[in-house]
Amino acid sequence: HLQLQESGPGLLKPSEILSLTCSVSGDSLSRGSYYWGWVRQPPGKGLEWIGSVYRSGDTFYNPSLRSRVSISVDTSKNQFSLKLTSVTAADTAVYFCASRLSSTYIPDSWGQGTLVTVSS
Amino acid sequence: QPVLTQSSSASASLGSSVELTCTLSSGHTSHIIAWHQQQPGKAPRYLMNVEYSGSYNRGSGVPDRFSGSSSGADRYLTISNVQSEDEADYYCETWDRNLVIFGGGTKVTVL
Repeated sequence: HLQLQESGPGLLKPSEILSLTCSVSGDSLSRGSYYWGWVRQPPGKGLEWIGSVYRSGDTFYNPSLRSRVSISVDTSKNQFSLKLTSVTAADTAVYFCASRLSSTYIPDSWGQGTLVTVSS
Repeated sequence: QPVLTQSSSASASLGSSVELTCTLSSGHTSHIIAWHQQQPGKAPRYLMNVEYSGSYNRGSGVPDRFSGSSSGADRYLTISNVQSEDEADYYCETWDRNLVIFGGGTKVTVL
């Protein structure tokens, strides 16, 4: 059974770079069984998909965030990461990492989430 | 890209049943969708996927009180014998050409 755990700074200032890591246990990223991705949820609002990455490094991003987002995978550490540049208060949200089956793209597991607050 | 429409709220009495609807936009009515449950203060949890045919597959550990069905552009999540722990937000999700789209969510209140 997959377990995903987010980590990273919880407080950023406007214009800084948001950087989060998701550590995976229960499967090896190098096996290629899953796509790995990020979803966020602003306080009191719904879910927003940020993007996904495959073990090959192929990435897919939400068009609304594409110019600021980068997702990468580190198979040696069994982790994948999110970077979001030029953050504003609108980027304040709980950020979840998640997996989906590579064969069907059907969702599978979620991390517990981490709150990132952008404030001056 | 697809758009998913959900009612904002629903309610059910303990022990009763409730049906949630997720409607796919025109041109995308054959898409498979997934249902997720998010209890207050917790991460979402994958419940099941529902196909155009009405076939559904529950995720690991999901009680059989949760079932899925389909009719045209509508995908349904039915919760039978509603329990207090079923009070949560329920989101549907679909995907298209490696884009992922979420519905706005339905808040279920247990009376």
